[in-house]
Amino acid sequence: DAKTTQPNSMESNEEEPVHLPCNHSTISGTDYIHWYRQLPSQGPEYVIHGLTSNVNNRMASLAIAEDRKSSTLILHRATLRDAAVYYCILKGGGYQKVTFGIGTKLQVIP
Amino acid sequence: EAGVAQSPRYKIIEKRQSVAFWCNPISGHATLYWYQQILGQGPKLLIQFQNNGVVDDSQLPKDRFSAERLKGVDSTLKIQPAKLEDSAVYLCASSLGDRVTDGYTFGSGTRLTVV
Repeated sequence: DAKTTQPNSMESNEEEPVHLPCNHSTISGTDYIHWYRQLPSQGPEYVIHGLTSNVNNRMASLAIAEDRKSSTLILHRATLRDAAVYYCILKGGGYQKVTFGIGTKLQVIP
Repeated sequence: EAGVAQSPRYKIIEKRQSVAFWCNPISGHATLYWYQQILGQGPKLLIQFQNNGVVDDSQLPKDRFSAERLKGVDSTLKIQPAKLEDSAVYLCASSLGDRVTDGYTFGSGTRLTVV
């Protein structure tokens, strides 16, 4: 019963930008959108999070729709090391359980 | 800072045997989570601790799984007896707290194979 919907897989060419979409139509007003990625044989690692405004950090950018029902993780220049499963999750307060879906498996083509 | 430490890295057991996994979270992180990740699926929360108290264990199969976090630091997850369907990666994660902005730091996981 994941609260987010993502494409199962995407491909990108190396050194090109990648836009990973996430739909979260039932998001509540206090839910933050978090993105994680999981490299092969590793645990997930934090990428970025946001509430309403677009966010940037050294790893990626997060673009959030005005109605907050969708968001897009942007990798500005994909590298081979970005090949991973990307998870979009919603995090609310008060010990609400966070549900991970199956994520988007990103393949980067040299 | 040191990451979340988990051991063992791999474990193979026969069904009906018991197994235990250990997790050492990042120093100062009050919240600790155990997740189960079956191949091809996203992580599924088994249990969440706040310091040494349980705040959510609704998805923990309590007839065979148990977990504790003594002194609010290290944690162990035990399975007794194991079933074939318990084959999965068991991930431990920690966070400063449970605020909406607190991110998780995951360990590398323990890959359990039940034969």
